[in-house]
Amino acid sequence: DAGVIQSPRHEVTEMGQEVTLRCKPISGHNSLFWYRQTMMRGLELLIYFNNNVPIDDSGMPEDRFSAKMPNASFSTLKIQPSEPRDSAVYFCASSLLRGDNQPQHFGDGTRLSIL
Amino acid sequence: AQTVTQSQPEMSVQEAETVTLSCTYDTSESDYYLFWYKQPPSRQMILVIRQEAYKQQNATENRFSVNFQKAAKSFSLKISDSQLGDAAMYFCAYRRPTGGGSQGNLIFGKGTKLSVKP
Repeated sequence: DAGVIQSPRHEVTEMGQEVTLRCKPISGHNSLFWYRQTMMRGLELLIYFNNNVPIDDSGMPEDRFSAKMPNASFSTLKIQPSEPRDSAVYFCASSLLRGDNQPQHFGDGTRLSIL
Repeated sequence: AQTVTQSQPEMSVQEAETVTLSCTYDTSESDYYLFWYKQPPSRQMILVIRQEAYKQQNATENRFSVNFQKAAKSFSLKISDSQLGDAAMYFCAYRRPTGGGSQGNLIFGKGTKLSVKP
């Protein structure tokens, strides 16, 4: 079975540009999470969805960040305009909402570099 | 708010030996879940082992086992017969149960970098 699929794997762009990260969760999973990993702050939750509905976006750093989940098989994280401090690895993870011991399955991450 | 602390930024172990990675957490809840994830240089986050707080028995997965001390809020990972492929960052994570407004997001520690010497 395919795991969580993220694209692109690497993204390098200049500050001020719009960046869109994409995620396809595991089929049948109904919870989706976006995390950001940096050396300074470690792994931080940005936002998560249950059944395509955003539940908690308190981790989204500022209004430049937005996330959508238009259907059960696709989510995007958008940064507009991007800044050098947004450089990080962004992970998407999915899990089953039912069953408390269900683990989160992570994608391979997108390494984002803002010049 | 819940916090997870990994006090060892780096650890080293000789191949075939045993190493223990420490993790402590802070919570006022009685029901929760704990996880260890491994992140090799490939960057992939791989689930190593999980523990339900209501279970007294320590979880075991092949060479990986945990020492869960609920009263002490401690959740250490023991790796036996260490192999070169075990070299990675290891993250301890806490998760509240679903329901009651909590939907189960993970709270991670800062990680421990494990090196395995041949």
